[in-house]
Amino acid sequence: AQSVTQLDSHVSVSEGTPVLLRCNYSSSYSPSLFWYVQHPNKGLQLLLKYTSAATLVKGINGFEAEFKKSETSFHLTKPSAHMSDAAEYFCVVSPYNNNDMRFGAGTRLTVKP
Amino acid sequence: KAGVTQTPRYLIKTRGQQVTLSCSPISGHRSVSWYQQTPGQGLQFLFEYFSETQRNKGNFPGRFSGRQFSNSRSEMNVSTLELGDSALYLCASSPGIAGGGYNEQFFGPGTRLTVL
Repeated sequence: AQSVTQLDSHVSVSEGTPVLLRCNYSSSYSPSLFWYVQHPNKGLQLLLKYTSAATLVKGINGFEAEFKKSETSFHLTKPSAHMSDAAEYFCVVSPYNNNDMRFGAGTRLTVKP
Repeated sequence: KAGVTQTPRYLIKTRGQQVTLSCSPISGHRSVSWYQQTPGQGLQFLFEYFSETQRNKGNFPGRFSGRQFSNSRSEMNVSTLELGDSALYLCASSPGIAGGGYNEQFFGPGTRLTVL
């Protein structure tokens, strides 16, 4: 069985300050982990993915995430928030051997001017 | 390459009717997955098709079904619609290498289904 828990339903930051979106996962298998972003009335866009090659994963738009097996975490960070980062963010887990992806409940990121 | 396309974008149906949604994957992608997104339940996996065969299935009733054609295009059908079926239905495609879980999925814009 596999699942993810996004620890915050809503995060609010000021523009230019760091962003931290937290995700814990549970997986019976060696997992693949992803972060997706969804802007209002848009589809989902992949930010980054962990596939066991490196524990620190860099994605698009300055985002990165670190896979910590001992903590079963895959938190998403960005050093400096931009207004355009305001969106819904989803942490996703899937087993190594198939595309059955399980989404977290999402974290809504608000960026204040 | 063109992205994943879904038709129609918006749909209004009444209870008891059935509906068919269509998804065209990125050229060359053989795997198509379907998801339901609602405010209450979030994003839930419906099923995945690979080379015209259902490869994975989520926990949805049999009213939800799908198929994939030889050109990888996929359709999803919901019969006997219920009010709770109102949702955004997202389709995602990936290269779908058999057994490969590292394939990132590319999502379409979704079909907004409203059941009255």
